[in-house]
Amino acid sequence: EDQVTQSPEALRLQEGESSSLNCSYTVSGLRGLFWYRQDPGKGPEFLFTLYSAGEEKEKERLKATLTKKESFLHITAPKPEDSATYLCAVNSNSGYALNFGKGTSLLVTP
Amino acid sequence: GAGVSQSPSNKVTEKGKDVELRCDPISGHTALYWYRQSLGQGLEFLIYFQGNSAPDKSGLPSDRFSAERTGGSVSTLTIQRTQQEDSAVYLCASSESTGGLGEQFFGPGTRLTVL
Repeated sequence: EDQVTQSPEALRLQEGESSSLNCSYTVSGLRGLFWYRQDPGKGPEFLFTLYSAGEEKEKERLKATLTKKESFLHITAPKPEDSATYLCAVNSNSGYALNFGKGTSLLVTP
Repeated sequence: GAGVSQSPSNKVTEKGKDVELRCDPISGHTALYWYRQSLGQGLEFLIYFQGNSAPDKSGLPSDRFSAERTGGSVSTLTIQRTQQEDSAVYLCASSESTGGLGEQFFGPGTRLTVL
């Protein structure tokens, strides 16, 4: 059975303080790893898809990387508007759905 | 509209009543998914549609839950004889790619409260 574990559960950063969020996964044949951002009261917003180990993608202050066992979401010089819950999900050979982790709640203070 | 829309945004119902939740996917998206997000839990898969057929219903928690999709577009999730444990946010997502591949774009969700 696919498993996705995100850490830490919560993270508080000062504005400008860079850090990384972790997503560890165990799947039977990874077909894609997805990062989403979710603001309170809203649906998840797509950020990145990674398909194979060694792949990296960037968008503004965010950079996602992938190894055979985990993915990192690096946040460089975060701003308060980056505060949100970041969700990691995998799709594997075991089915059609995305299997989500429980998320990391990020708070960036001025 | 450009995104996935869901209605109603909020639904409060009494235990034992039936509810219908609606999803309008992005135009042209063949794949449609329903998920449930409970307080403190991750997103939980319910059902996957490819066109009007549902090749994966494995996430539906009981036979009180059913869903249909018509015209390859709008989908309705029906919960019969609601229970308090059904209280959650129900999210719909659509994708251009079928079979679980490709990005899924989510709607804002329907918050269901069962009293």
